[in-house]
Amino acid sequence: EDKVVQSPLSLVVHEGDTVTLNCSYEVTNFRSLLWYKQEKKAPTFLFMLTSSGIEKKSGRLSSILDKKELFSILNITATQTGDSAVYLCAVDNQAGTALIFGKGTTLSVSS
Amino acid sequence: SAVISQKPSRDICQRGTSLTIQCQVDSQVTMMFWYRQQPGQSLTLIATANQGSEATYESGFVIDKFPISRPNLTFSTLTVSNMSPEDSSIYLCSVKGTGRGYNEQFFGPGTRLTVL
Repeated sequence: EDKVVQSPLSLVVHEGDTVTLNCSYEVTNFRSLLWYKQEKKAPTFLFMLTSSGIEKKSGRLSSILDKKELFSILNITATQTGDSAVYLCAVDNQAGTALIFGKGTTLSVSS
Repeated sequence: SAVISQKPSRDICQRGTSLTIQCQVDSQVTMMFWYRQQPGQSLTLIATANQGSEATYESGFVIDKFPISRPNLTFSTLTVSNMSPEDSSIYLCSVKGTGRGYNEQFFGPGTRLTVL
């Protein structure tokens, strides 16, 4: 059965800290891995990763994929209170189907 | 990315009634999905909305409880029928295949449903 596992499930840090969120997966016919940020209702898209070793960056956020070891990490540097959210990892295993989501990591950043 | 709107954004309903949620996209999309997120839980796929044919439901979800329509490539509805308090959730419309990034999947703003 295809599955996506995220760790840790929750994390509390202080402003300015750097955090690393983990996502491992077991899927057939892997196509891509996606990261989302969910603050209130709707998840907002962060990154899509398809190739190993190529880092995607957006401001203080970055992510990388390892297709050999079947995992991805999401890094957030110099965290701010506005980074507090649930971070969701999802995997696309073939065209024409919905993403497979992990349970998410709840990040709380205190000032 | 596609701009997705959902109506209503929230509602409070009585047990035994039904609610229809609308999802409108500003461009044609290949795939449309409906998810449910119960309090404190991750996203659960309800069904894939198929244009011009019956939706494809995931295990644990049935058409009688969650009828879905998709009359064209930009619009879909999800009805939550004969509601009970256990149906209190956020319901999310999601789309894939927007042209630029086929594998990217985007979400609407969600509908927060409370059933009393």
